[in-house]
Order: sequence, then C-alpha cells, then structure tokens
Amino acid sequence: DSGVTQTPKHLITATGQRVTLRCSPRSGDLSVYWYQQSLDQGLQFLIQYYNGEERAKGNILERFSAQQFPDLHSELNLSSLELGDSALYFCASSVADQRVYFGPGTRLTVL
Amino acid sequence: SQQGEEDPQALSIQEGENATMNCSYKTSINNLQWYRQNSGRGLVHLILIRSNEREKHSGRLRVTLDTSKKSSSLLITASRAADTASYFCATAPSGGYQKVTFGTGTKLQVIP
Repeated sequence: DSGVTQTPKHLITATGQRVTLRCSPRSGDLSVYWYQQSLDQGLQFLIQYYNGEERAKGNILERFSAQQFPDLHSELNLSSLELGDSALYFCASSVADQRVYFGPGTRLTVL
Repeated sequence: SQQGEEDPQALSIQEGENATMNCSYKTSINNLQWYRQNSGRGLVHLILIRSNEREKHSGRLRVTLDTSKKSSSLLITASRAADTASYFCATAPSGGYQKVTFGTGTKLQVIP
C-alpha cells in the first residue's frame, strides 16, 4: 500500500459524458501527478500540482482539467469523453526527494 | 517525446537467469527511478539512484547509472516467475520542479 488512494477503482460511462477522478496523496506529500496509461502503452504524463498550484503540464487534452485543493487532494475532470479516453488513470504523489508513490489507478471504460 | 526510453521493449528468459534492462534519457537529471508494474496494476517503486551515484543494490536488483552516456541499467539476478512484469525507468530533471517522466517500459516474462 503506497498511501496514495484513488476513487473510484472502475468507471464505465458513455461517450460524451463527464467524469471526475479523485486522488488523495500520501500524508505530507505536496506534489500530485496524474498519468494516463492506455492499453499496453507507457505512462503519459498529464499534469502536476504542487501545493495547490499547477507546476507542469504534459500531454493533457483541453477536454481534461485538474485541480489540487487546499487539503492537497486532487481531482481530474474528463469531459466530452471519447472511446479513446478509455485507459488507466494513475495519480501519484511525492515529496522533495522526488521518490514518486503511485495509487492503484482508476480504470475508465468509455462505451 | 518520452524522456526515458527502455530497451529492450520485451524480454523473455528462463527462471533463474539474469535479466538486464536499459534506459536512456536526454536531459540532465537529479535522479533516476525504476518501477515495476504488474499487468493492470499500479506502479511499485523499486529503486532510486541519484545523479552522483554510479551503482545501487537492493536485494536481487542492481542499478547502474552513467550520466556521461545518459543511461541506466537494471539487473535482476536469479529471476523468478513473480518478476514477470513491465519495468519502467523514470527521470527527474535537474533544476526546477519535480516533473518525473516515464519511459515506455520493458515487458519482462520469466518462464518457470
């Protein structure tokens, strides 16, 4: 158990819908990362927050947005969902030593 | 493009043999980390090596780092069937913030 929690574990929805994925980082970790992993693919970095502020942006679509709240939990919002958005979405957190701890992921299936 | 690129993309060995995976990266780094991912599961942190370190051991794992060649290798000795997984390297760039970038991974299959 890494200490990073993600909800929900599984999400099945239809094209055009909007979903919110939630992440709670390890206690004390200020950095939160979001990654997308499509079937048999590597991890695609989406976005990073540090203490509530966006720190780095990767290959995140305009239909996707994220935020980190004062209590440091983070949410990833995916809208106008397409079939190709089906993937595992991982949240991770870290402290200054940059060792990154991953949550178990949310498996999103868009039908 | 990915910062870290693992090689080979896939590797199949017999139980008991050693497995070596390589990672190359492009920019200066603060540290490099190796992770394991079992199919469809989250990533498990294996080892972190800092830019001023050349070699690090953890159990059956040995990681080397050559900053002049911008490359790292992960050696798993006396492999077991349970080592079957995908292995990713991740790099944290030097200077600035902590954006950790992952490669595409090496799929390791250990045949009992």
